[in-house]
Amino acid sequence: DIQMTQSPSTLSASVGDRVTITCRASQSISAWLAWYQQKPGKAPKLLIYKASSLEGGVPSRFSGSGSGTEFTLTISSLQPDDFATYYCQQYNSYSWTFGQGTKVEIK
Amino acid sequence: QVQLAESGGGVVQPGRSLRLSCAASGFAFSSHAMHWVRQAPGKGLEWVAIISYDGNNEFYIDSVKGRFTISRDNSKNTLYLQMNGLRTEDTAVYYCARGHSEFEYWGQGTLVTVSS
Repeated sequence: DIQMTQSPSTLSASVGDRVTITCRASQSISAWLAWYQQKPGKAPKLLIYKASSLEGGVPSRFSGSGSGTEFTLTISSLQPDDFATYYCQQYNSYSWTFGQGTKVEIK
Repeated sequence: QVQLAESGGGVVQPGRSLRLSCAASGFAFSSHAMHWVRQAPGKGLEWVAIISYDGNNEFYIDSVKGRFTISRDNSKNTLYLQMNGLRTEDTAVYYCARGHSEFEYWGQGTLVTVSS
């Protein structure tokens, strides 16, 4: 099974900061990588799919990049609504796995 | 708009069974693969199972193979998860989700607690 490793696990940042979260796959997944935002007590929300495609309705301050085994989610200017937990997720051969999550906290 | 609504969660003893349902609306249910994804309290997300749009293909995470069965009734726009032989480690919020390589839409989740 493909393992997904996110870093950091927790990130403290201020409004307006540029934030980058990294996700590494244990083997190549081409561009089959998605990013989600989850707030407490709520379902996850799809932000990015196929590594760099922005889901409809998601603000343009969110962007994704990478291919193969290394991927990043960038928030260009952190907003108050962005404090949440973020998960990466891979798809390969009828198996789906998530990273362990990155909690973005207020500094 | 797309809506997914899970039901059927509750408290159940280890070894017992439970069936979850997910009512879909706002899209052509019979044209989309559907998933179950779970989240243990305070933990991360874990994919559980997928069923193809026509119900002819199913895949599961190893830890539930032989215990859980995903199914669908396209005439009722409803997805199911039959959970047998429940274990304490199955305690989680269970979400249904639409998509294939990624999960485009999610329900609000239903909590399953396995405890004696």
